Amino acid sequence: DGGITQSPKYLFRKEGQNVTLSCEQNLNHDAMYWYRQDPGQGLRLIYYSQIVNDFQKGDIAEGYSVSREKKESFPLTVTSAQKNPTAFYLCASSITSGGLSYNEQFFGPGTRLTVL
Amino acid sequence: ILNVEQSPQSLHVQEGDSTNFTCSFPSSNFYALHWYRWETAKSPEALFVMTLNGDEKKKGRISATLNTKEGYSYLYIKGSQPEDSATYLCAPNDYKLSFGAGTTVTVRA
Repeated sequence: DGGITQSPKYLFRKEGQNVTLSCEQNLNHDAMYWYRQDPGQGLRLIYYSQIVNDFQKGDIAEGYSVSREKKESFPLTVTSAQKNPTAFYLCASSITSGGLSYNEQFFGPGTRLTVL
Repeated sequence: ILNVEQSPQSLHVQEGDSTNFTCSFPSSNFYALHWYRWETAKSPEALFVMTLNGDEKKKGRISATLNTKEGYSYLYIKGSQPEDSATYLCAPNDYKLSFGAGTTVTVRA
């Protein structure tokens, strides 16, 4: 089955700790994205990657870091510098790097992070 | 970030009734508009990608129209069924997607 997996589904961390959220896709998509959802708000773009070994900041990148060493993997690290890390995080992918405008995005099931 | 407004925020509709709701966005620097359906406990799924002014797309009982000159899109559900209950997200695109907060539709049997 092709798709996007995110793990874990729920994650709890103490304040001040870094935490890494996993995102893997077997759709052979070039582009991958990380979004954050807060109650009553739309999805906000944290980082995106159009191709392996390259990534760009989205609208709310402060306090986050990513890597794209493999085509199928795009992990997101929430650092202690992120002031409000508790949120629902969604990973997505799309076919081509040039298709940000037209290609639909495929989403994973999400990870709910709670920082205590 | 594009300013995207979806209205209403939520609505309840009786099974069998039709409904529609709106997505408003800045009409300049527009490349495409995406609609996604997000059911509870599932991942968002793409419904439509629309690019041309006057574009109309249809998938089963769900259809959407696009007006790029005035910056809005309507999504219609004809003969609502309980399985249509979901949050519907729109996302206009300049060089990346900017998502609205969604319209949550609840279909009552």
